Amino acid sequence: DAGITQSPRHKVTETGTPVTLRCHQTENHRYMYWYRQDPGHGLRLIHYSYGVKDTDKGEVSDGYSVSRSKTEDFLLTLESATSSQTSVYFCAISQEPATGEGYTFGSGTRLTVV
Amino acid sequence: DAKTTQPNSMESNEEEPVHLPCNHSTISGTDYIHWYRQLPSQGPEYVIHGLTSNVNNRMASLAIAEDRKSSTLILHRATLRDAAVYYCILRRQGAQKLVFGQGTRLTINP
Repeated sequence: DAGITQSPRHKVTETGTPVTLRCHQTENHRYMYWYRQDPGHGLRLIHYSYGVKDTDKGEVSDGYSVSRSKTEDFLLTLESATSSQTSVYFCAISQEPATGEGYTFGSGTRLTVV
Repeated sequence: DAKTTQPNSMESNEEEPVHLPCNHSTISGTDYIHWYRQLPSQGPEYVIHGLTSNVNNRMASLAIAEDRKSSTLILHRATLRDAAVYYCILRRQGAQKLVFGQGTRLTINP
């Protein structure tokens, strides 16, 4: 499949604990994104990165932080997990936006906060 | 960001063509029209994109109205594997983000 993997695929965690999700790419794409998907809300952008150490907020960034120390890895951290962060999280990668080319998405991480 | 309007759901039969409509009346000249689909329990998958001219690839065809205020994704011969949610998205040239709407849930009957 496309060179993007997410880990873990499934995780159950307790309220109040920190959680880190990892997105790894082998395509050397500059742009990486984290989305969450919930019933009734569709896909919503959490944070994105446009280069190493360059990140910006999306529409639902509260309670989340990200880091990108290498081109290939984009980490999403829930600083103190809450039940409202139970969701499916998707990572995506993209080439330069100017080309108009499409995104490639990972297979998702299903996170349950109990 | 310019918005798109799609029907919530559509139904078709296997081996028949499917035409999925999308309205985008406030589209700007530098907005690309993107289509993605999401199969059950999977991440979204890029299908096709275009700017002004009709586009074809191995998955589908994209027909863009002359005034660009609407477009149609065409699946030439639907299979059961094409059952998915299809998203029509406008992406401005140079824009760093892709914003998803609710999409059209396509059901394929055997």
